[in-house]
Amino acid sequence: EDQVTQSPEALRLQEGESSSLNCSYTVSGLRGLFWYRQDPGKGPEFLFTLYSAGEEKEKERLKATLTKKESFLHITAPKPEDSATYLCAVWWGGATNKLIFGTGTLLAVQP
Amino acid sequence: DAGITQSPRHKVTETGTPVTLRCHQTENHRYMYWYRQDPGHGLRLIHYSYGVKDTDKGEVSDGYSVSRSKTEDFLLTLESATSSQTSVYFCAIRLSGREQNEQFFGPGTRLTVL
Repeated sequence: EDQVTQSPEALRLQEGESSSLNCSYTVSGLRGLFWYRQDPGKGPEFLFTLYSAGEEKEKERLKATLTKKESFLHITAPKPEDSATYLCAVWWGGATNKLIFGTGTLLAVQP
Repeated sequence: DAGITQSPRHKVTETGTPVTLRCHQTENHRYMYWYRQDPGHGLRLIHYSYGVKDTDKGEVSDGYSVSRSKTEDFLLTLESATSSQTSVYFCAIRLSGREQNEQFFGPGTRLTVL
C-alpha cells in the first residue's frame, strides 16, 4: 500500500538548536516530493519540490534532501517563527498530480 | 496565495442538511482539488477537476459531489451532511506551466456537523 510516514510527530527545540524532520515513503513510481509548512488555522504553504534522489533545495534556515526511500527537512539554527507543522506529500498520480500526504511534524521552537 | 478564496470560512450545520462549499480562483488554473484534513489522517483528497465539467474521485469521495461549470469556481457539495464530515476542507490549485507541479492551498473552511 502506498504510504507516507513522517517522524517525529512532534519536536521541541531550543532557538538555535538544529535538527531534522523525516519523511519516508513506500510509493512506487515516485514523480516528486513536496514539503509544506502549515500554521494553525491556515492552509499549507508550499516550501520545496524534489524530483530525484540526491536533489537538495534550500530556503533560509531550511534545507530539503531526497533519497530513494525518504526525505529530510533540515532546520539550521531555528527561530521561534519557524514553529509550525511541516507536511510532506508524495506525487504519484501522473498528469492529474494526485498527492499522498503524511500526517506532519509539529515543530515548536522555544526562545 | 495563488488567488484562492474559499467560502464560507466557517459553517455549523445539522445532520441531514445539504452543504455547499465554494472555491474560487482568479488565475485560470486548470487543475483544482478538494481535500479534507482531520487529526491523525493528514490531508486526504476528496475530488479533483482537470477542466470545466471534468472531475474525478479521490480517496474519500463517498458522501461528496463536485461541480465545475466555470474555470474559476469548484464547488463541493455534501448532499446530506453527517457528523463524520466534520472537518477542515481545503481547496488547492496546481500551477499551469512547464515543470511547475506544486499545489497551492486556500485558507480552508471549518465545517461542523451537529
